[in-house]
Amino acid sequence: SQQGEEDPQALSIQEGENATMNCSYKTSINNLQWYRQNSGRGLVHLILIRSNEREKHSGRLRVTLDTSKKSSSLLITASRAADTASYFCATDGSGGSNYKLTFGKGTLLTVNP
Amino acid sequence: ETGVTQTPRHLVMGMTNKKSLKCEQHLGHNAMYWYKQSAKKPLELMFVYNFKEQTENNSVPSRFSPECPNSSHLFLHLHTLQPEDSALYLCASSQNRGGADQPQHFGDGTRLSIL
Repeated sequence: SQQGEEDPQALSIQEGENATMNCSYKTSINNLQWYRQNSGRGLVHLILIRSNEREKHSGRLRVTLDTSKKSSSLLITASRAADTASYFCATDGSGGSNYKLTFGKGTLLTVNP
Repeated sequence: ETGVTQTPRHLVMGMTNKKSLKCEQHLGHNAMYWYKQSAKKPLELMFVYNFKEQTENNSVPSRFSPECPNSSHLFLHLHTLQPEDSALYLCASSQNRGGADQPQHFGDGTRLSIL
């Protein structure tokens, strides 16, 4: 069953702008991850954030986690055309099945030059 | 380069054919996964292997048969597939059979089309 759900489904911005994508999930989690997928390629891991963390940074990426709202956001600052891709959040399975990653449907980000 | 290699990249087969997908990881990981990615649907976990032993079969039809001869290689044997099986099949690996507490490394997938 789907645990995480990204919002919006699609986002189109100009190069240099910031892009924010959100992920909501249904049941409590231990960890949450974000992945990127370029067209025709596999998924690439971006960031892992644990349930006791509120914010994490990696280069131009900033991830926040609000466990009280069961939501996470991914912010990409100063976007580039090369950031065009689909972005997915993934969480532990619900009910303690923490060896499964459950993915959302993703947000398709288009960065226009 | 992710360290996970999948072959072939594209495969077209008829419903009566038998074919195999191959995945190889060069990362020294102990866990390997098969996922199915269909348009407009979330990634679906199919099988999980940990130290060559299958630990998860996510209600996958028997026309998909996985094989893991060692921790570095994973196969997906296909026979008498249906048109709805057309999808991108992704292989992934992780250090151990953890869940969201460790990253998974994905190959670029096999695009499968069933005629």
